[in-house]
Amino acid sequence: QVQLVQSGAEVKKPGASVKVSCKASGYTFTSYGISWVRQAPGQGLEWMGWISAYNGNTNYAQKLQGRVTMTTDTSTSTAYMELRSLRSDDTAVYYCAVGGGGNSFDYWGQGTLVTVSS
Amino acid sequence: QSALTQPRSVSGSPGQSVTISCTGTSSDVGGYNYVSWYQQHPGKAPKLMIYDVSKRPSGVPDRFSGSKSGNTASLTISGLQAEDEADYYCCSYAGSYGFGGGTKLTVL
Repeated sequence: QVQLVQSGAEVKKPGASVKVSCKASGYTFTSYGISWVRQAPGQGLEWMGWISAYNGNTNYAQKLQGRVTMTTDTSTSTAYMELRSLRSDDTAVYYCAVGGGGNSFDYWGQGTLVTVSS
Repeated sequence: QSALTQPRSVSGSPGQSVTISCTGTSSDVGGYNYVSWYQQHPGKAPKLMIYDVSKRPSGVPDRFSGSKSGNTASLTISGLQAEDEADYYCCSYAGSYGFGGGTKLTVL
């Protein structure tokens, strides 16, 4: 069965960077893209961007352009999302999901809480 | 892409039907058949319930159905059950993705 396992919770200071990992199993990793979606406390879902696990093409939300980088390591079937210049309003649960690039988000990771606080 | 508009909350009694609307524009919901719906229970990850407006992934009960008319998509849940109580989000794709603000479904 498809499974996405994300790295653990992080606490960061404003201005720092965070890198969240998402290890996939149960399907051919390079056949689908990986999207990242975040959810601030008590708020709705926000799409951050997508990466093709096949060729590394990316599509980032305009709001995060210049601060976010998504990568994949096909040798370990792992996707990464790095967010830089963190601010308090980046505090959220970050989810990876199989899909994107026009497709729905079929399977989701368990989420990673990133807290930005001085 | 702008956020899609959903009602903040809906409610229904067990066995009844409820419909959640999701209003966008001709540039997103109305222009493409890339509308999906997600169910989220408190503290859990979202789960795909409907994709491509009206398709149901395997394992999702046929009590859940989706449709679209013009710039508004809808999720209908028939034969409400207690476990359907959750937050529901619509999502559309038009080069980038936009989510609705979410609708809290209460089963009375």
